[in-house]
Amino acid sequence: DVKVTQSSRYLVKRTGEKVFLECVQDMDHENMFWYRQDPGLGLRLIYFSYDVKMKEKGDIPEGYSVSREKKERFSLILESASTNQTSMYLCASSFLQGGNEKLFFGSGTQLSVL
Amino acid sequence: RKEVEQDPGPFNVPEGATVAFNCTYSNSASQSFFWYRQDCRKEPKLLMSVYSSGNEDGRFTAQLNRASQYISLLIRDSKLSDSATYLCVVNPLGSNFGNEKLTFGTGTRLTIIP
Repeated sequence: DVKVTQSSRYLVKRTGEKVFLECVQDMDHENMFWYRQDPGLGLRLIYFSYDVKMKEKGDIPEGYSVSREKKERFSLILESASTNQTSMYLCASSFLQGGNEKLFFGSGTQLSVL
Repeated sequence: RKEVEQDPGPFNVPEGATVAFNCTYSNSASQSFFWYRQDCRKEPKLLMSVYSSGNEDGRFTAQLNRASQYISLLIRDSKLSDSATYLCVVNPLGSNFGNEKLTFGTGTRLTIIP
């Protein structure tokens, strides 16, 4: 069974803390994505990666960075967490080739920044 | 105008009924369309792709109307297990491109009542 695993289901952090959200997939997918989901706003793309060491900004990259040192792992970093980064964070992966738009999502990390 | 718009609901429908909801998109050049299902506090999962000719998967039927720029999802003989939020997803690029441009609607919440 295919799996995208996010390291934490719930996280509570304080303003100004550095936060790491980890995501691992076991499907040998090239593409990996980080989204945040907020009520009334839907899923918004933060960053994505098509290959190891490669990263591209999505629609709302401000305040975030990412790291992809290995194909199976894609990390989202909040350098200095702020209250407006309280959200549900979803990692996803997919194959690179077009026609395979199916995204496999992790179960999400609900982050609260106090 | 939002790129992808959905009626947020909630739709409260008795078990066994037929329910349909639409999703409109603003980019007339959009090429690929999908419905994802998201259960409460879970990750989104692909329900079905939407093809130009319309397609059916058991009790679910998806339609695309390019002229009016909307897609629809019809659920027949609804079950309690169909209760979920249904996300409309549009890819403005063709299937030969990646899926970083996937745009998610905010979702339509459906509750099936016994």
